[in-house]
This record gives sequence, structure tokens and C-alpha cells, in this order.
Amino acid sequence: GEDVEQSLFLSVREGDSSVINCTYTDSSSTYLYWYKQEPGAGLQLLTYIFSNMDMKQDQRLTVLLNKKDKHLSLRIADTQTGDSAIYFCAERSLGGATNKLIFGTGTLLAVQP
Amino acid sequence: DTEVTQTPKHLVMGMTNKKSLKCEQHMGHRAMYWYKQKAKKPPELMFVYSYEKLSINESVPSRFSPECPNSSLLNLHLHALQPEDSALYLCASSQDPWTLGTGPRTYEQYFGPGTRLTVT
Repeated sequence: GEDVEQSLFLSVREGDSSVINCTYTDSSSTYLYWYKQEPGAGLQLLTYIFSNMDMKQDQRLTVLLNKKDKHLSLRIADTQTGDSAIYFCAERSLGGATNKLIFGTGTLLAVQP
Repeated sequence: DTEVTQTPKHLVMGMTNKKSLKCEQHMGHRAMYWYKQKAKKPPELMFVYSYEKLSINESVPSRFSPECPNSSLLNLHLHALQPEDSALYLCASSQDPWTLGTGPRTYEQYFGPGTRLTVT
């Protein structure tokens, strides 16, 4: 079955790098997504990576994928107080005919000034 | 434009009321989704519409009734809800995964801001 896990909480100081981790279980080809949710708001798509890639960089965001360990990470460089939010990783399997996302439990990122 | 809009932003309703949540997108997406999210939890999929037809119902109680009147609009009709139905209701849209194409496609889902529902 599919299961996506994340650590619950991360605290960093402003200006430091943040690394949010995620593990998934689906062994088929898949897309993996990172979403950000600020308090009282919807989910904002940050970035995504296909499972045949190792890394993707987009401005301050770097996604690393270790296929062997089924481990995904999101690195935020120069973390700002505006980055404080809950971050969800999500997996979509290409094995079926649906676009169903399996979400992780979410990581609360707290950025200290 | 990757905007999905939802109305109302907040809704308080009694257990005997009938109300509706609305969602709209103008990205040309043919798949639309309803999710329910409880506090500090990930979103849970409720319904998926593809080309205005219901394709997935995740065993949602019949007091929730979805409707997709056209390719841009998605409604969720609410009737006889329970206090435990209080949550953030999120709408999302994406390209349709059944559309034939070459190679894998991301079909990323874009979410609206949600409707905060309180059932009293």
C-alpha cells in the first residue's frame, strides 16, 4: 500500500537553511509534490519532481530524491519568517487511472527571527 | 493564472440547514476535486469530477452532495450535517489524467483557499 510519512515539527533561525524530510512507499513510477499551507489558507504548490530525477532546484528551493531509500527532502535556503507554515509532501502514482494524491502528515516549520 | 476561488470563506450552519459551497477555476482544467481537512491533518479526498462526471466518491456520507454544472464550476451541497463535519473544505483542479498524451504528465493539483465550515 501507499504511505507517506514526515517529521511533525522543525524549528530554524531566520537566514538558516531548512530541510524537511519525507518518506514514501510506492515503488512504481510516481510524481512527488511539495505543498505549503499557511494558517487558515489553502495549499500552495511549491514544486514537484518525477521519480526518474535525483534533484530539482527552483530559486531558494531544492528537492532531493533518493529512490533507493524512497526518501524525499525539501531544502529551503535563507529561510525567512514568511516561510513559517505547514509543508506537505504528496505522492501520485502513475500506476492507476486516477490523479489521487497521497499526502504526508505535514511538517510544521517555525522560523525564529 | 493558477487561481482557484472558493465561496464563502467562512460558513456557520445548524444541523438542520441546507447550504452550498462553491468553487470556480478558469484554467481549462477538466478535473476538479473536493477535500476535507481537519486541523493539523492532511487533506482527505472526498470527490473527483472528470469532464463534469463524478469519477471518485471516497465513501462520503450522502449528506454531502457534489455537483459539477460545467467545466469551470464545482459545488458541494450540504444538508443535515453533524458537528464532526466542521472542517476546512478545499477545492482543487488539475489537467485531466485521462487525456492522452506522450510521456508522463504532472497533473499537479491547484488548490483554492478553502471554506471554513462550522456546524453548530
